[in-house]
Amino acid sequence: DTAVSQTPKYLVTQMGNDKSIKCEQNLGHDTMYWYKQDSKKFLKIMFSYNNKELIINETVPNRFSPKSPDKAHLNLHINSLELGDSAVYFCASSPNGGAILGSGANVLTFGAGSRLTVL
Amino acid sequence: KQEVTQIPAALSVPEGENLVLNCSFTDSAIYNLQWFRQDPGKGLTSLLLIQSSQREQTSGRLNASLDKSSGRSTLYIAASQPGDSATYLCAVRRMGGANNLFFGTGTRLTVIP
Repeated sequence: DTAVSQTPKYLVTQMGNDKSIKCEQNLGHDTMYWYKQDSKKFLKIMFSYNNKELIINETVPNRFSPKSPDKAHLNLHINSLELGDSAVYFCASSPNGGAILGSGANVLTFGAGSRLTVL
Repeated sequence: KQEVTQIPAALSVPEGENLVLNCSFTDSAIYNLQWFRQDPGKGLTSLLLIQSSQREQTSGRLNASLDKSSGRSTLYIAASQPGDSATYLCAVRRMGGANNLFFGTGTRLTVIP
């Protein structure tokens, strides 16, 4: 069973469209994340949710809207797609991201990534 | 602001060699440091996690060290194998706040059979 699954794996779309990437984790983790990996392979955090509540919202255009219907899901919706949005988006989860806990709580499990190409 | 740098960006070694990957960070106020492996189409896999109070962690042929005061970490891979070919990323977690990892740009390792 895949621990953190993202769909779709590949997404090609035109500028101006609205698209969503879905993420689900079956690990029972409390915290989920979205990271963006740019063409230089640099990973940057975008959002973090703990038990469906937003706890990190880095400098991301408001065209990006995360939605967490329950703690096992964190979906990423993007409006009015731009060329610069092309990247690989990674979803991740961890047991608990809101407090300083033992070592096991800090290990993130990542999904396989979703490659978005905006034409 | 925390910046994480990895050198070299790419490395090719013949099978069986021992190798070291380097990671440096600018702010020593970290909670822990993780090494990840990235395989195309398979996402990121966590390899080792070192708490700020620890000096090293070992898992099989991998050994990661941490020198927080100098802002450096190394990942030592012994007796490299072609299956070790991947991009290796280090990430530091800042003190306090939520679980926010700052990633380096990675080292692309190729082990030649």
